[in-house]
Amino acid sequence: ETGVTQTPRHLVMGMTNKKSLKCEQHLGHNAMYWYKQSAKKPLELMFVYNFKEQTENNSVPSRFSPECPNSSHLFLHLHTLQPEDSALYLCASSHFPPSGGAYEQFFGPGTRLTVL
Amino acid sequence: AQSVTQPDIHITVSEGASLELRCNYSYGATPYLFWYVQSPGQGLQLLLKYFSGDTLVQGIKGFEAEFKRSQSSFNLRKPSVHWSDAAEYFCAVVTGGGNKLTFGTGTQLKVEL
Repeated sequence: ETGVTQTPRHLVMGMTNKKSLKCEQHLGHNAMYWYKQSAKKPLELMFVYNFKEQTENNSVPSRFSPECPNSSHLFLHLHTLQPEDSALYLCASSHFPPSGGAYEQFFGPGTRLTVL
Repeated sequence: AQSVTQPDIHITVSEGASLELRCNYSYGATPYLFWYVQSPGQGLQLLLKYFSGDTLVQGIKGFEAEFKRSQSSFNLRKPSVHWSDAAEYFCAVVTGGGNKLTFGTGTQLKVEL
């Protein structure tokens, strides 16, 4: 595996279900991110982890619970979601701290989530 | 606050024609700027970046972008568009101490054969 991988690629869940999204990066980075991409809206940063420590929670509802056990893995645990949470959830990684202009983030393919 | 504006939501060009996608940023210091492309159902792929030096930067897939400080712009260009370039394009700027990106709302490119 290379780059940033995400599983599953598609997920359909009911509002009472509990599910988890998984992200793994094979780039040797130490910062990881969750983004939400909804139709007609800009990409929304949800969480930032640097060296496994959460450094950003962008006012995300508690029904989204991130977990970063190490610098290569990132999870997003989902419970009691709402239909408006249906979106593409993207994981990204980058070097941290950035140096020499290496500020770019590398993205996974995303998980298309549908909440019924 | 730092922001990025992509004024064109949709652009349609004919295959073989030239392309320019606009991006304007609002940032006090020297910005670090990026262009990403997203094909349907996929994640974002980095096309090119600017953080210093030559204001004309070359990227992958034949794309280039020019940083113009006087106009607060970082427009993406390609001399001859291919049908496979149809996708959504996002401009982004580094914010928040170097660990966060702020994205524009994207420009959807359609290529007519």
